[in-house]
Amino acid sequence: AQSVTQLDSQVPVFEEAPVELRCNYSSSVSVYLFWYVQYPNQGLQLLLKYLSGSTLVESINGFEAEFNKSQTSFHLRKPSVHISDTAEYFCAVSQDPMNTGFQKLVFGTGTRLLVSP
Amino acid sequence: DAGVTQSPTHLIKTRGQQVTLRCSPKSGHDTVSWYQQALGQGPQFIFQYYEEEERQRGNFPDRFSGHQFPNYSSELNVNALLLGDSALYLCASSLPRGLNTEAFFGQGTRLTVV
Repeated sequence: AQSVTQLDSQVPVFEEAPVELRCNYSSSVSVYLFWYVQYPNQGLQLLLKYLSGSTLVESINGFEAEFNKSQTSFHLRKPSVHISDTAEYFCAVSQDPMNTGFQKLVFGTGTRLLVSP
Repeated sequence: DAGVTQSPTHLIKTRGQQVTLRCSPKSGHDTVSWYQQALGQGPQFIFQYYEEEERQRGNFPDRFSGHQFPNYSSELNVNALLLGDSALYLCASSLPRGLNTEAFFGQGTRLTVV
């Protein structure tokens, strides 16, 4: 079974500093990878996704993630964070163990990004 | 487009009771999945419905059941509630086929069992 590991439960950072949130996955087959963000008392919002093609994917708000097949990683980065980026970030992999054609998402335990002034 | 809507937003139930949570998918989506997110944890897949049938199921007991209606909306039912069922329940809708199908999530229903 596929699994997702987020190595850091919490990452404190100062505003305008760079940040990296780490994600590793285990899989013996091709995967599709996602980063979701969850603001307090809200549901999940898709931040970015890797399906195929370029291993570097970007979001509209300055985040980027790089798919590294050899290291089975999909780390999320932002060169300069804002206070408003404070949230919980979840890495997820798409899984279809029974080959039904229907996907389910397997999530990591999340990383809380805390941006302070 | 209203996106995925869930009701109610908050709910308090007593241990042993039964609860029903509701979800309306995003316009154009016909597949609904339910996830349980315990405090401090990532969401865990409960089950998925397409064409009014359960297509996949996660590692949850039979106390958790669901239904999908012809208009694609869905319900999650939990019987004999336990304190450990307290969580945020998330509904996600998507198109059914392909591992690259993007799932859109609702705001969730916060269930507290006392």
